[in-house]
Order: sequence, then C-alpha cells, then structure tokens
Amino acid sequence: KAGVTQTPRYLIKTRGQQVTLSCSPISGHRSVSWYQQTPGQGLQFLFEYFSETQRNKGNFPGRFSGRQFSNSRSEMNVSTLELGDSALYLCASSFLPSYNEQFFGPGTRLTVL
Amino acid sequence: SQQGEEDPQALSIQEGENATMNCSYKTSINNLQWYRQNSGRGLVHLILIRSNEREKHSGRLRVTLDTSKKSSSLLITASRAADTASYFCATTGANNLFFGTGTRLTVIP
Repeated sequence: KAGVTQTPRYLIKTRGQQVTLSCSPISGHRSVSWYQQTPGQGLQFLFEYFSETQRNKGNFPGRFSGRQFSNSRSEMNVSTLELGDSALYLCASSFLPSYNEQFFGPGTRLTVL
Repeated sequence: SQQGEEDPQALSIQEGENATMNCSYKTSINNLQWYRQNSGRGLVHLILIRSNEREKHSGRLRVTLDTSKKSSSLLITASRAADTASYFCATTGANNLFFGTGTRLTVIP
C-alpha cells in the first residue's frame, strides 16, 4: 500500500508570494491533517479535514487555508508569505479522525526568502 | 497549552545501551503516542498507550504512563545506530494530536 505522498518536496519562494502544497493520503484514508514544524515552535497543528470538511483548525492566521477533495487529496495554501513561514510542512492521514495513529508524509520543505 | 515536553532535549549513548526519554503533559488525555522522526523527514508512529493502561511493550520499546503525574516514559533497549532520531510524544485530547518538543537521540556505534 502506498504511503502518504506530498508534493513538492522542496520549495523556495519570496516574501509576499503564495504557495500551494499538496498531500495524497493513503488509499482509503479520509482524514488528512496538516502540521508546521519549525526549530523554534516545534510541531504545530494547522488544520484537519475529513470527508471534504474542515473539522479543526489550529492557531494560525487566515493566510493559511486548506481544502480536501472528494478523493481525499488535500491542499494547503499560504498567501502573502512571510519569512517566518519557512518550515517543514507535514501532512498526515488516518482512516478516521480518531487520532489513534496518523501516517505521515515526508513533508514539504518551504523556504521563504 | 496541552503540548507535552520531552526530557532530556538531547541524549547521546553507546550502541547496546538503553535509552530513556520522558514526556510530561498538562491536561487530561485519551491516549498518548510516541513518534520517531529521522532528520528532516516525516514522523513514524511507534506505539500508543491508552489512558487506562500503565505499561505497554512493542519489540525493544517499553512505554509507561502515569496519568496522576501526567507523565510518560519511552525506553528503548539494546539501542542501535539506526535508532538515532528525534522522538516525540503526542497527546490526544478532544480534537487533535498535540506534539511535545522532542528528544534528540544519538546512538554512537
């Protein structure tokens, strides 16, 4: 069974630009969560989608948004990029949003210059 | 914040030795999980212990949970160089996983 895939793996943007990251969950998984990982703040929850609906959202500004498609693939978008948005963005999937075990993708490394 | 804190922040041991990492959290939980992250990569789920369990084993891993002290420990026995990674505890509350700050483990061959 294929794991969680994230594209692109690496991305370099400049301040003020916007970016879209993609996540394909494990086949059959309907819950997708996004996390931001930085050396200073650690792993922080961004949002979670289940069956195309956002179930939970972390404490991030409105510049961070996401969506989920009918095939459970998810995208997250960050608009008006800031230097502090440089981070590893991790996507995780699970069959149900029970948070018993999440399967993580390799992440997208975003660098904002 | 429900975020857990791991202790120590970094640990360096010789291959074959045991490694113990601790996690403390702040609020009541449904379960507690441990994840491993190799440098700059995604996290891998190691083990889950429910709030009504006190100890759990999986291969070379042993996890304990003390809900009265709001703490958990992860023991890796007979460590190997391949165990070099960062280890995170994650607590499950009502809505999502809250990750701790992580322990960076280095196993020296």
